[in-house]
Amino acid sequence: AQSVTQPDIHITVSEGASLELRCNYSYGATPYLFWYVQSPGQGLQLLLKYFSGDTLVQGIKGFEAEFKRSQSSFNLRKPSVHWSDAAEYFCAVAPGGYQKVTFGTGTKLQVIP
Amino acid sequence: EAQVTQNPRYLITVTGKKLTVTCSQNMNHEYMSWYRQDPGLGLRQIYYSMNVEVTDKGDVPEGYKVSRKEKRNFPLILESPSPNQTSLYFCASSFGQGPEAFFGQGTRLTVV
Repeated sequence: AQSVTQPDIHITVSEGASLELRCNYSYGATPYLFWYVQSPGQGLQLLLKYFSGDTLVQGIKGFEAEFKRSQSSFNLRKPSVHWSDAAEYFCAVAPGGYQKVTFGTGTKLQVIP
Repeated sequence: EAQVTQNPRYLITVTGKKLTVTCSQNMNHEYMSWYRQDPGLGLRQIYYSMNVEVTDKGDVPEGYKVSRKEKRNFPLILESPSPNQTSLYFCASSFGQGPEAFFGQGTRLTVV
């Protein structure tokens, strides 16, 4: 069975600083990997996804993520954080299309001026 | 407008009283699923459906039922709700490679 670990429950960064949110997964083969963002009181919005190919994936809102098979990681990055990026971020894994999905427990991002 | 619509948005009910949360999507998506979100636990998948009449259990299916009689609808049924099913529920749909994109606004359920 697959699993996802987001080791950081809460992260605080200054506006304009760079950001990296960690995600480690456990699965026997290369899974489908996703990052979502949830603003307070809202549903989830897909930021980016990785299925295969180039291991550096570009997403919306200036986010990117890098798949590292050797480390079983799929960390989310942004070079310069904006106050509007304050939200909760979830990493997710699935064995393939139309399959069971497992989410991490989330990382809450706080952005300070 | 492409969307996933859940109803109701808020519901307070009593233990044992059957309820249904509806989910409808207007994008002709094949894949639909239900999640519950609890503090500190993230989202956990309850059930998913790969197409009409095809459903399968997620990680936390106990106490829930689903049906997929039409492509656009995927209701979540709680036959006998209990307080431990108090949670925030999300429906989602997608087309193509994986459980991507479209989430409903959520249903906050309280069982007393």
